[in-house]
Parts: sequence; C-alpha cells; structure tokens
Amino acid sequence: GAVVSQHPSWVICKSGTSVKIECRSLDFQATTMFWYRQFPKQSLMLMATSNEGSKATYEQGVEKDKFLINHASLTLSTLTVTSAHPEDSSFYICSAREATGGELFFGEGSRLTVL
Amino acid sequence: AQSVTQLGSHVSVSEGALVLLRCNYSSSVPPYLFWYVQYPNQGLQLLLKYTSAATLVKGINGFEAEFKKSETSFHLTKPSAHMSDAAEYFCAVTRAGTASKLTFGTGTRLQVTL
Repeated sequence: GAVVSQHPSWVICKSGTSVKIECRSLDFQATTMFWYRQFPKQSLMLMATSNEGSKATYEQGVEKDKFLINHASLTLSTLTVTSAHPEDSSFYICSAREATGGELFFGEGSRLTVL
Repeated sequence: AQSVTQLGSHVSVSEGALVLLRCNYSSSVPPYLFWYVQYPNQGLQLLLKYTSAATLVKGINGFEAEFKKSETSFHLTKPSAHMSDAAEYFCAVTRAGTASKLTFGTGTRLQVTL
C-alpha cells in the first residue's frame, strides 16, 4: 500500500520553543491531509484538515495560531506547534488521502514531549 | 453527525480463542466503516473497510467484519487469536461516497494470553 512518512518520530523540546512535524506521502499525491492528536490510551482527535494550496480547516477548539499547518505541495504537509508548553505533549498523527481515490493512509506518528 | 461506540475498552482472550471486538455506529446517512489497528508508538494500519459493497468484509491478518444495518453494528472478529494480535483497535466512520473526515471510536485494547 501507499506510504505516509512523518518526521521526526519523536522530539523533546523546551517550553516556549516551536516544533515542526512533517508529513509526506512518499508514492502518491495527496490533495488532502489530516492532522490528529492522540492522548495516552485515548482515541484520535481530529485537529485540522489540510488542503494543498489553501488554508487549513481547523476543528472547533483547536487554536489555529498555536498549531500552524501548511500544505505547500501535493506530497508535504507540516504542523508547527508554536511556543510549545507541557500540555502540548502528545502523539501527533497525520493521514493523507490520495488525489485520485478515497483511500486514507496514516503516518507512523510523532511523539512530542515538552519539558 | 456521525459517531461510533466501541463497547469494552479492554478485551482479553487466550491464544487460539475467538476474537470479537464490538463497534456500533450512528449515522443519518449511509456510512463507510473502518477498522484500524495501532501498535505501541505507531500510526494506524487499516485492517478492513466497508464501503457499501459486500456486507461481510475480509481484511488482513485473518480479521473480518460484518456490516449489519438493522443492528447498526460493524463488529470485528477473528477465529483464532495470535499473540501478535495484541494491540489497540479503532473503529471509524465517515460519510459514504465523499472524502469526509473520519470519526474514531475510543478504541479497544486487545490482550492475548497464553
């Protein structure tokens, strides 16, 4: 199946710094990418829908200035956690939908720990 | 609005026993339904999906699920559990025929014992 890669797979940062997480579709073009957040032993919470070349659509309660999403190309979307705080520590997962079909593929996830 | 409910946050079975993970959905429009598996510190892997074709869907690793509209259910089964099946399983729903976002259940952790 198609491959979606996230980088970094885990990152530790100091409070107040910004962290960028990349989501790449390696062998297909993705017009739509989704960013999820998963707390320990909980389900995935959709944060935003990212469409190539346009602004992301954020879910209710998600701070768009806190979680900056950029989908500059058909194979890359980035999530930047700005001025990170310990409560932002979580597992962030992206998924990408093929441009031609409806199949959804998930990345391996990125674990963020803010000290 | 669409939602899924997974009954049982934790299920434990013996190796070789039947696996049954329950999922009930709520949707005012025809749904597409999915089962995903997640191993520790990893992303999600699609096990199987229902997209309005056959109601009995076969997936990877010997799993299958049956869409029952009358019961609004999409339970996941496997005849014989293997130790490697131990993981977190998520049921998800979206609107049929569109590229809509998925709504996930709260997950069921499957434990397989010797």
